[in-house]
Amino acid sequence: GIQVEQSPPDLILQEGANSTLRCNFSDSVNNLQWFHQNPWGQLINLFYIPSGTKQNGRLSATTVATERYSLLYISSSQTTDSGVYFCAVVTNFGNEKLTFGTGTRLTIIP
Amino acid sequence: EPEVTQTPSHQVTQMGQEVILRCVPISNHLYFYWYRQILGQKVEFLVSFYNNEISEKSEIFDDQFSVERPDGSNFTLKIRSTKLEDSAMYFCASSEFLPLTIPDYGYTFGSGTRLTVV
Repeated sequence: GIQVEQSPPDLILQEGANSTLRCNFSDSVNNLQWFHQNPWGQLINLFYIPSGTKQNGRLSATTVATERYSLLYISSSQTTDSGVYFCAVVTNFGNEKLTFGTGTRLTIIP
Repeated sequence: EPEVTQTPSHQVTQMGQEVILRCVPISNHLYFYWYRQILGQKVEFLVSFYNNEISEKSEIFDDQFSVERPDGSNFTLKIRSTKLEDSAMYFCASSEFLPLTIPDYGYTFGSGTRLTVV
């Protein structure tokens, strides 16, 4: 099956810093989502982004489907951005399940 | 914004007991899913459900698991005889369309049920 790897696995930043999280996938995908899992365990959808670039406030995401990666940018980090960020993909081969990546744990220090 | 609602938020059960996890998907959604996340690990697919039947299931979803949509609003996951390794966060998700058919569309996840088997 498809492999979805995220980097870095852990990231510790000072409040106000910018960060880039990467998601690499091993095969063609039909859809890609970025999630933020907060400290209470809730999965919050950030973006549906199978290709192109989207922005939502301090967050933006870019997916280059032909090169099989996606990037999540967080600018001017706040402590509430802490948590685990997952990307998840849907492949092209007739099934609709999401395959999640390994996650990046982001810790923002005041 | 419409939400997927899961109950209970936390459940503690003794090994060997049956548990039922409940989900209320978004009302006009047609596709329903269960995922689980063992503590510290990534989220894994369990099962998808459409038109009152299972459309796909993973290797994890063995005979101890079952799903049901008993009425027009609830979607349940039953674990018949819980094991210690079933301890995890269980997420329900739903979608109006298949993401394969509408690429710029995705799933809505519930807040999860944290199951602890003791």
